[in-house]
Amino acid sequence: EPEVTQTPSHQVTQMGQEVILRCVPISNHLYFYWYRQILGQKVEFLVSFYNNEISEKSEIFDDQFSVERPDGSNFTLKIRSTKLEDSAMYFCASRTESATNSPLHFGNGTRLTVT
Amino acid sequence: TQLLEQSPQFLSIQEGENLTVYCNSSSVFSSLQWYRQEPGEGPVLLVTVVTGGEVKKLKRLTFQFGDARKDSSLHITAAQPGDTGLYLCAGANAGNNRKLIWGLGTSLAVNP
Repeated sequence: EPEVTQTPSHQVTQMGQEVILRCVPISNHLYFYWYRQILGQKVEFLVSFYNNEISEKSEIFDDQFSVERPDGSNFTLKIRSTKLEDSAMYFCASRTESATNSPLHFGNGTRLTVT
Repeated sequence: TQLLEQSPQFLSIQEGENLTVYCNSSSVFSSLQWYRQEPGEGPVLLVTVVTGGEVKKLKRLTFQFGDARKDSSLHITAAQPGDTGLYLCAGANAGNNRKLIWGLGTSLAVNP
């Protein structure tokens, strides 16, 4: 069965550094998402992306964050200058359509540790 | 701000027991999804409930959406060690199903 794949599985970076988290959504999916989950806290919506543009973003998704789908395959999340509080699991998700009953498929996440 | 509260937060039971976990809110959702998440993996969708009062069954798992679409329950019959995991509920609003509102989850351990 097709999967959403994320790389790397674990990224350690120093505060102030830029990181790029990569995702390859399922190939016929059109809607893409990033979520994060800080240890012990709820999963939080970051951003949704459709037709090469952001369709919605949360308050968390400030100017330090950006997303891109550079080549029709990869979907990336960039954090320009990481802070300690950016440490979390970052999940990419995708689905075929935006309807609620269209299943959202998640990757296994990237654990970002900012030191 | 919409919130989803899940209870209990932790549950440890013996194989063969039945259990129910809850997902409650003071807000109405157009739909509610249940996911299971295992350590080191992303959430995996189990079911989506849409209609108030709806009941869906997935083998030994029974999901119910409250009549007012503010709450949901998941009942597991004859739990097995393979049911161990974090059960998350997530709600979507009519007119905006891009952004899911998540509960904190119920961490279930089924002991052999």
